[in-house]
Amino acid sequence: LAKTTQPISMDSYEGQEVNITCSHNNIATNDYITWYQQFPSQGPRFIIQGYKTKVTNEVASLFIPADRKSSTLSLPRVSLSDTAVYYCLVGEGKLTFGGGTRVLVKP
Amino acid sequence: NAGVTQTPKFRVLKTGQSMTLLCAQDMNHEYMYWYRQDPGMGLRLIHYSVGEGTTAKGEVPDGYNVSRLKKQNFLLGLESAAPSQTSVYFCASSYPSRNIQGFGQPQHFGDGTRLSIL
Repeated sequence: LAKTTQPISMDSYEGQEVNITCSHNNIATNDYITWYQQFPSQGPRFIIQGYKTKVTNEVASLFIPADRKSSTLSLPRVSLSDTAVYYCLVGEGKLTFGGGTRVLVKP
Repeated sequence: NAGVTQTPKFRVLKTGQSMTLLCAQDMNHEYMYWYRQDPGMGLRLIHYSVGEGTTAKGEVPDGYNVSRLKKQNFLLGLESAAPSQTSVYFCASSYPSRNIQGFGQPQHFGDGTRLSIL
């Protein structure tokens, strides 16, 4: 099971781009990279998933370098409502949610 | 669509009491999961199921039992509640993995059950 490392917390301001990098040095060939968002008192919500290169949807972009040992979640032009905990998960084995990254968006 | 529904939303128990948490999903997902989340922590997998009639242990299974008698329901039981089991419990479901075994498909979560054990 690939272990992930991501920053504990990040602060940003409204309208800025937020980039959260997750390290997963022992990612396996079949592993996908998945990001979730969790607001207080709610269950995690799927944001984006990718295998390699770049994936983009209406909410975020996911950048994955060729060696796949890390990935970066990019949130464009954040608003106050993007304040949440963001989890990076890797694997096709049983998934493990680490502590996540607490993102605080300030006015 | 209701998605994943957890019942109850809140519950207070006394040490030694038993209870069952119910999770229901209407997305026809094969896989279902039970997690617990303690304050300021990530989620930890308790038990999971890859199909009706099957269950397996996760990271922290002790003190819990589960059953998956119907595809849409996944029950989590506490036989003798302990204060250490005070937590928020989340249920999730997903489609089967793209590979033979695995859990890489996005999971859909319920809003949690807040359980306090005195």
